[in-house]
Amino acid sequence: GEDVEQSLFLSVREGDSSVINCTYTDSSSTYLYWYKQEPGAGLQLLTYIFSNMDMKQDQRLTVLLNKKDKHLSLRIADTQTGDSAIYFCAAFTGTASKLTFGTGTRLQVTL
Amino acid sequence: GAVVSQHPSWVICKSGTSVKIECRSLDFQATTMFWYRQFPKQSLMLMATSNEGSKATYEQGVEKDKFLINHASLTLSTLTVTSAHPEDSSFYICSAGELETGGYSPLHFGNGTRLTVT
Repeated sequence: GEDVEQSLFLSVREGDSSVINCTYTDSSSTYLYWYKQEPGAGLQLLTYIFSNMDMKQDQRLTVLLNKKDKHLSLRIADTQTGDSAIYFCAAFTGTASKLTFGTGTRLQVTL
Repeated sequence: GAVVSQHPSWVICKSGTSVKIECRSLDFQATTMFWYRQFPKQSLMLMATSNEGSKATYEQGVEKDKFLINHASLTLSTLTVTSAHPEDSSFYICSAGELETGGYSPLHFGNGTRLTVT
C-alpha cells in the first residue's frame, strides 16, 4: 500500500521561509494534500495539488510536486509564530480510494 | 467557514458504555465519509470508509462490531464506540469530500472528538 513519509521536526526563525518535505510511494496517487493541525484541534486543509501539476502557489504557500521522484514540498514564506503547528502531507490513491497520511512535521517558529 | 461539523468535541464516559459521534457535511453532499483515529503525537489512522446507504468498509485490524458506522444520509455519518474501554480513549476525526474524476475533492475534516473512557 501507500507509504507517506515526512521529517518529524523543523525549526525556523520568524520571517524566514520554511520548507517541509514529503515523499510518497504510490505513483498512481492523484491528489496530494497539506493539512495543518494545532494542538487539540482537527485538521485544517491548507492546500492541495493534483498530480498533473508541478507547482501551486497560494499566498504565502507554495507547493512543489516532483512526480518522478514522488516528492512533495510545502514552502511557507515569511513564517510567523502562528504557523507553529504540525503539518501533515497526505496522498489520495484512487485505486484504493483512501487518503494516506504522513507522520506529520512539527514546525517550531522561534523569535 | 467549516464545511464538516463533528459533534461532540469531547466526551468522557464510563467503561462499558457506548458513545456516538456525529459527522455532518454542511454545504455539500458526501456519499463517502472517512473516520480516522489519532493517538497522541501520532499520525491519523484510517479506521473505516463510510458509504451512504451501504455498509462501511473497515480497515484491517479495526473491529466493526466495536466501532459501528452508520451513514444514513448524504450529510450525516455516525460512529458509535460500543462497550467503550480505556484503551478506546483517543482523538477521533471524520472527513468528507465530493467525489470527482480522479478522486475526491479536497477532503475537509471535522474538528475531532476527544474521547476519554474512565
